[in-house]
This record gives sequence, C-alpha cells and structure tokens, in this order.
Amino acid sequence: DTAVSQTPKYLVTQMGNDKSIKCEQNLGHDTMYWYKQDSKKFLKIMFSYNNKELIINETVPNRFSPKSPDKAHLNLHINSLELGDSAVYFCASSPSPGTSGGASSYNEQFFGPGTRLTVL
Amino acid sequence: GENVEQHPSTLSVQEGDSAVIKCTYSDSASNYFPWYKQELGKGPQLIIDIRSNVGEKKDQRIAVTLNKTAKHFSLHITETQPEDSAVYFCAASTGSGGSNYKLTFGKGTLLTVNP
Repeated sequence: DTAVSQTPKYLVTQMGNDKSIKCEQNLGHDTMYWYKQDSKKFLKIMFSYNNKELIINETVPNRFSPKSPDKAHLNLHINSLELGDSAVYFCASSPSPGTSGGASSYNEQFFGPGTRLTVL
Repeated sequence: GENVEQHPSTLSVQEGDSAVIKCTYSDSASNYFPWYKQELGKGPQLIIDIRSNVGEKKDQRIAVTLNKTAKHFSLHITETQPEDSAVYFCAASTGSGGSNYKLTFGKGTLLTVNP
C-alpha cells in the first residue's frame, strides 16, 4: 500500500528516557514533516525536511532531533523525555510544489496514523 | 506569524442538516486554505482546499468559501451523515509554495452528526 507509516503506534516510557519514532513514506514525496497534537487536539508543526535538508524548525527544544537518512524517511529522536512531551506525533509528506502530484504550487500533505507518546 | 482562529469548537447536528465551520486568518499573504478531517485514532486527511484566487469551491456535499477582504473562510457540509462525525481542521499556508511551505492549523471542530 502506498502511504505514510509510523512506528510505533503507541509508546509509553518514563521521564528522562530517550526514544525514537520512525516515519517512512513510499509516495515519492520530497518533503516530510513532523507535527505534534496535544491533548486538546491542537496540531502544530515541529519540523519540515525537503530532500533530507531541514527547512522548518518551529522553536522546538534541542531535545528533539529529526534525522532524515533519505528522502523517504524522517525519524524523530527525543532525549530526556518530559511529562509535557506526552502527545500524538504525526508524520506527513507532500510532493515538492510544481512537481507531479501538484498541479498548483500548493500540495496536499499526507499524514501518517500517528504515534501516541505517553511519558510517565 | 500566521494565526488561525476556528469556530465553533464543537458542533452537533441532526442527520440531514447542514453544518458550517468558520475560520479567520491573520496574515494577508496567506494564499492557500485546506480543510482536513480527522477520524478517531487516525491522521488528518485533506477533504477540500481553496486558493486565494478563488472565492468558492464545491465537491459533492462539501463546499468552501473564501473572503480575502475579511480574511475568513468557511466549510459547509450539506445533508450530513453519521460518517461525517469527526474533528475538522482549517489551515492556512504562510509559504509561497516553495520548500518553506508551512500550514498553520486552527484548533479544530468536533462535529457530531446524530442519527
């Protein structure tokens, strides 16, 4: 199936631990994103990468470090987890503007199923 | 930066009725306005979008209107069905469509369609 996939779907861990969330897309998109959705459903962008290069970093703490080994993968590593990190994290991807899949300059973002992170 | 306000936060309608969700944005340079539907336990999915050179767009039971002067846009769902129940997000883009393309989301509307 063509899609954006994330692992794991659920992640429960203790404060202070380090954890990673993996994201893969097989849509051939050049741009990938990480979003955080808090308990009130507020969806906020954290990072975006275009062809493995960091484009957007929305004042996210240094404890969060995205890594893009290739343009199909964008993983999120979180150090020294805090209670406030508990949320659902979504990965998304979109084609580069002006490329196939984008007749216009504005392209749909395809979201993964999310990873629910609970920090105890 | 861009700020998107969305109302109402919750909306309950009877099956067959219409539902309207409204959003305002702050950055007059924003030029792309998508709407996403998020079902329980899933990621958001695009349902319709509109660009700033268009005032209205319709896709079957869903329509979106944009008023650039007032900086507001709305989602209209007609003949609602129970499967329309979900959280709906409006968004605005602050990039030019280049690699810094970024969406700013509203806080979401929980729509419940009662059979």
